[in-house]
Amino acid sequence: GAVVSQHPSRVICKSGTSVKIECRSLDFQATTMFWYRQFPKQSLMLMATSNEGSKATYEQGVEKDKFLINHASLTLSTLTVTSAHPEDSSFYICSARDRGANMYGYTFGSGTRLTVV
Amino acid sequence: GQNIDQPTEMTATEGAIVQINCTYQTSGFNGLFWYQQHAGEAPTFLSYNVLDGLEEKGRFSSFLSRSKGYSYLLLKELQMKDSASYLCAVRSYMNSGYSTLTFGKGTMLLVSP
Repeated sequence: GAVVSQHPSRVICKSGTSVKIECRSLDFQATTMFWYRQFPKQSLMLMATSNEGSKATYEQGVEKDKFLINHASLTLSTLTVTSAHPEDSSFYICSARDRGANMYGYTFGSGTRLTVV
Repeated sequence: GQNIDQPTEMTATEGAIVQINCTYQTSGFNGLFWYQQHAGEAPTFLSYNVLDGLEEKGRFSSFLSRSKGYSYLLLKELQMKDSASYLCAVRSYMNSGYSTLTFGKGTMLLVSP
């Protein structure tokens, strides 16, 4: 079945630095990529939706200049957390839909645990 | 906007049956998903309903009533490994023409011996 590879799985960075998270669709073309954030004991909150070759659509309250999303190809989308702060520490998960998606066509990456110290 | 409600926690014993309810309010409804998520891991797909009725898949069944904005996930013959968070997610068409998946806060199920 469809697989989304997400890296890194875990990252610790210093406050003020930037971190890039990658999601690759391995055996399908991801026309749309969703980026979620999940705080402890909370559900997944959609941050932004990106479509290949166009600008991402950010959800209300998500700073687009802080969370940079690039979906330059049909197999790769990246999320860069710029000038990270401790409050950005969270579990970030991507989800992709493939071109031939049926109703079941949401595939999740394995998630990235970001800790900002 | 969208609103998805499900109980925060439930407990059950091994071998029993448990029903996790989900109510939702949304426009542009286009399907309801149930996912299982173990701590620190990504969600895994369990079931999908877009029409009213019951979908059965092994030990898991899911029911949908669109007129009532209601769904439930039924887990039979509970096993210890079923202890996890169960997420109800609603797919909706947005004004932009794209569809998005919105998650409820999840129900933490604890299965005891």
